[in-house]
Amino acid sequence: TQLLEQSPQFLSIQEGENLTVYCNSSSVFSSLQWYRQEPGEGPVLLVTVVTGGEVKKLKRLTFQFGDARKDSSLHITAAQPGDTGLYLCAGGGSGGSNYKLTFGKGTLLTVNP
Amino acid sequence: DTEVTQTPKHLVMGMTNKKSLKCEQHMGHRAMYWYKQKAKKPPELMFVYSYEKLSINESVPSRFSPECPNSSLLNLHLHALQPEDSALYLCASSQGGRTNSPLHFGNGTRLTVT
Repeated sequence: TQLLEQSPQFLSIQEGENLTVYCNSSSVFSSLQWYRQEPGEGPVLLVTVVTGGEVKKLKRLTFQFGDARKDSSLHITAAQPGDTGLYLCAGGGSGGSNYKLTFGKGTLLTVNP
Repeated sequence: DTEVTQTPKHLVMGMTNKKSLKCEQHMGHRAMYWYKQKAKKPPELMFVYSYEKLSINESVPSRFSPECPNSSLLNLHLHALQPEDSALYLCASSQGGRTNSPLHFGNGTRLTVT
């Protein structure tokens, strides 16, 4: 069974601060996806990383996939209240089911104005 | 607006009721999913349909019965549920075939079992 350890589980910060969310595993993943879920809505894909060492930027969000494809991080610069939500990492297994993603436990981020 | 539409948005049902959740997508995706999500927790996979055939059943109790009438529609039939089944039920779709394919989620049905 593949597991993704996501940390921290809860994060409450002030507007303008920086933060990093981590997803770690002992297993290799073929891809890592990051989703954000706002209250009352379904998760929305932010990014997919597939290559070890890959870095992707989405405005103030920077995503990194570890060289060994076992870990990933999400860094937010100058957080804004609109960034508030549940952040989920999800790994695609290498050799496992084509349809089954492994989700981390999620990080509930609150950005206070 | 999400491209995956789920109805109803809210549902309250008694333990003896029979109800159905509906999901529709018109993106041409060939894989469709049902997930269950408790508050502040990650989604838990229930079922996957691939090319209209049930591909994965994550040992879900038989009181949940999925149905895929065609490539655009996915239903979840509910019968004799328990209060602990109260949760947000999310439908998702993907192009299918590889786990690199991102999931497109609907906004869910908030189910309360009384």
